[in-house]
Amino acid sequence: NAGVTQTPKFQVLKTGQSMTLQCAQDMNHEYMSWYRQDPGMGLRLIHYSVGAGITDQGEVPNGYNVSRSTTEDFPLRLLSAAPSQTSVYFCASSYWGGGYTFGSGTRLTVV
Amino acid sequence: AQTVTQSQPEMSVQEAETVTLSCTYDTSESDYYLFWYKQPPSRQMILVIRQEAYKQQNATENRFSVNFQKAAKSFSLKISDSQLGDAAMYFCAYRGPTGANSKLTFGKGITLSVRP
Repeated sequence: NAGVTQTPKFQVLKTGQSMTLQCAQDMNHEYMSWYRQDPGMGLRLIHYSVGAGITDQGEVPNGYNVSRSTTEDFPLRLLSAAPSQTSVYFCASSYWGGGYTFGSGTRLTVV
Repeated sequence: AQTVTQSQPEMSVQEAETVTLSCTYDTSESDYYLFWYKQPPSRQMILVIRQEAYKQQNATENRFSVNFQKAAKSFSLKISDSQLGDAAMYFCAYRGPTGANSKLTFGKGITLSVRP
């Protein structure tokens, strides 16, 4: 049972480059979210989805895009990477009312 | 908007002792869910315990238990018989009932160290 799979685990980007962080879950969960974690800030919500075809912005959405074409996949796109986007990124999924299951995270460095 | 506050950035406990981590939250909802997550140095987010707001009984999971005070909007985590493996960052989190409110909102976390 894979749970929530995030790729890649580590990534270094140059300022201005774009990339996609992949997230897939095999638990048929309706809800999926992307968070970023920065020291002293906890986990802040970037975007979330309550089902296929439905996405919405979280607390810190600027510079990121998402789509949810299937229940299983929820990729996060960085449009033009900036040093301020250096962070650890987590994808998570959940059924209604449950606790979210997290992926193992992606450490992204933008130079 | 819902907010979650963890006012203590760090705590320390002696091995085998009991420690309580504090959390308060703010919401206008009557039905919601509260969680404690553990994040060890491996970075993995691990669900420790879950509480449903409509249940008056405090949740327990082995050595972990909560003190849920709905009127005071307080949700503390008690760790009994602390072990070295309990050393981690702990996050309190709130989840609303449905739709857009079902997203998870975190506090800033508390770093727990365990002294041998």
